[in-house]
Amino acid sequence: QLQLQESGPGVVKPSETLSLTCSVSGVSIASSICYWAWVRQSPEKGLEWIGNIYYTGSTHYNPSLKGRVTISVDTSKHQFSLKLSSVTAADTGIYYCARLSLNYDAGSFSSLGWFDPWGQGALVTVSS
Amino acid sequence: DIQMTQSPSSLSASVGDRVTITCQASQDIRKYLNWYQQKPGKAPKLLIYDASKLETGVPSRFSGGGSGTEFTLTISNVQPEDIATYYCQQCHSMLLSFGGGTKVE
Repeated sequence: QLQLQESGPGVVKPSETLSLTCSVSGVSIASSICYWAWVRQSPEKGLEWIGNIYYTGSTHYNPSLKGRVTISVDTSKHQFSLKLSSVTAADTGIYYCARLSLNYDAGSFSSLGWFDPWGQGALVTVSS
Repeated sequence: DIQMTQSPSSLSASVGDRVTITCQASQDIRKYLNWYQQKPGKAPKLLIYDASKLETGVPSRFSGGGSGTEFTLTISNVQPEDIATYYCQQCHSMLLSFGGGTKVE
């Protein structure tokens, strides 16, 4: 059974870098039929897609985060990671990792898909 | 970017009611719309993908419909365990986005 678990500091100081890791168990992270993604949630912004990574290292990021995001994957450790630099109070929230499925039409990739399953979430507070 | 607008933002339901939540996309997203249920303190849970396909294990009282820019999530015969917030999410664009949520109380 596929499970994901976030880990990392719960408090980050303003202007510093937020770092989280997602550990994947129950399925190979080197899967060709999905991406691995980060999503965050705050009362102000609701659910916000941060970015996703393929096992080869190919990434897509939300441009609203203005180049502050880096997502990486370590297939040997069955983990993928998030770094968000120059954080402010607006980056406070719950950070989720998730598997991102792919849509296929007639056997060919057609679009990204749905997030399932999700990790339990990691609360990160930006505060001095 | 594709904007997703949900309505209503909240609704009140009684056991046995039929409720419908609407999600509108700012441009044509074909069938590429997913629905999630989130209970307090928990991660979102996938209910429906590709607008109308029920995720395995999800009760059949949940159903999804629509295409293009207008989509619906219907809960027929609402049960107490359906009290939650529901979100739509588009995956037509590589820049993924969610609706603002509908709280079912």
